[in-house]
Amino acid sequence: ETGVTQSPTHLIKTRGQQVTLRCSSQSGHNTVSWYQQALGQGPQFIFQYYREEENGRGNFPPRFSGLQFPNYSSELNVNALELDDSALYLCATNTGSPFSLSGNTIYFGEGSWLTVV
Amino acid sequence: DQQVKQNSPSLSVQEGRISILNCDYTNSMFDYFLWYKKYPAEGPTFLISISSIKDKNEDGRFTVFLNKSAKHLSLHIVPSQPGDSAVYFCAAQAAGNKLTFGGGTRVLVKP
Repeated sequence: ETGVTQSPTHLIKTRGQQVTLRCSSQSGHNTVSWYQQALGQGPQFIFQYYREEENGRGNFPPRFSGLQFPNYSSELNVNALELDDSALYLCATNTGSPFSLSGNTIYFGEGSWLTVV
Repeated sequence: DQQVKQNSPSLSVQEGRISILNCDYTNSMFDYFLWYKKYPAEGPTFLISISSIKDKNEDGRFTVFLNKSAKHLSLHIVPSQPGDSAVYFCAAQAAGNKLTFGGGTRVLVKP
């Protein structure tokens, strides 16, 4: 039990549509990150939010965006969906800040499976 | 450019024997390493970690070894149990929390 909850668990969207994925974490987990895991690969870092501001982004285009709310919940939004966006999207949280040294254990949710047809 | 590599995509081991999973990294800025276990349709579950100031960390049946000069780490599971059958990911962290993952190793423990 990581205390990280994601919704929905599965969804199917059509190419060109937009999708919003949600995540809630336990109190005190000030940093939230989103990862994309394509089939047969390891998770890839999308971006990280701290105190409701984006702080660090991986190699993903601007149509991937996010929000973090004061109540330890967050969203991942993807616009203009492409077939290659089909993947498992993972929310990850931790208590450290992006400015801290490494050593923070990152806890993952169960993920949201997105299929784009 | 893969900064974290798990060169063995799969591993099969008999119940009770040792499982050894390997991971190599290239980025010298990585100073904290984590292993995650993942079952199908679930998110990664944290298993064990190690700081670069150590060369070994043990937690029950799981031991992680770090060879900083070789930029290599390994996870030992002993004794292996059927419930250990899963995909194992090695992840590396520099300052700032972001994790860089390897491609995973699928472990099958045969009864």
